[in-house]
Amino acid sequence: QKEVEQNSGPLSVPEGAIASLNCTYSDRGSQSFFWYRQYSGKSPELIMFIYSNGDKEDGRFTAQLNKASQYVSLLIRDSQPSDSATYLCAVDGGATNKLIFGTGTLLAVQP
Amino acid sequence: GAGVSQSPSNKVTEKGKDVELRCDPISGHTALYWYRQSLGQGLEFLIYFQGNSAPDKSGLPSDRFSAERTGGSVSTLTIQRTQQEDSAVYLCASSLRVGRGGLAGVPDTQYFGPGTRLTVL
Repeated sequence: QKEVEQNSGPLSVPEGAIASLNCTYSDRGSQSFFWYRQYSGKSPELIMFIYSNGDKEDGRFTAQLNKASQYVSLLIRDSQPSDSATYLCAVDGGATNKLIFGTGTLLAVQP
Repeated sequence: GAGVSQSPSNKVTEKGKDVELRCDPISGHTALYWYRQSLGQGLEFLIYFQGNSAPDKSGLPSDRFSAERTGGSVSTLTIQRTQQEDSAVYLCASSLRVGRGGLAGVPDTQYFGPGTRLTVL
């Protein structure tokens, strides 16, 4: 059973701080990793994907991948109250590219 | 451009009734996925279409669930004899291409529709 684990939170950070969201996965064969943001009552919105070991930066967001440790993280710099949402980690689940999702981490950025 | 659309946005039905949920993918997207998100749960994969065929139906929870796709575009998810445990948000996603590693190693990214919230009384 392929699994993706996330701390459910809530993770509370002050405005302007760095928020660090973590995710582990069980399938060593996984190749692609995604972070989605989901506001309450809305559908998931893709933030970033990563498929190579190391860091990938996009604006205030940095995704980090360590395949040896089966670990993916998302850093949000200069956190804003508008970043408050649930962040879903997803891993490709095989040849059909179906996504295996974690249950998400609720981030609360305090003004 | 238009994103993935789904209808209805909300559906309330009585236990035992059949329901149909519709998904219109992004134009040109050949791959289409259905997921389900129950209250407090993560997204759960249901079925994947490539064109009109469904090579992966492994996530359908029972034979009361079925789906089809026509013209390589619109998909319908049908739930027969609905049960209270079917209550959830049903999400559709589409992507441009399939195949592990996508095009030139870039992952095949899925874009989600707004979902249909199904409530079974």
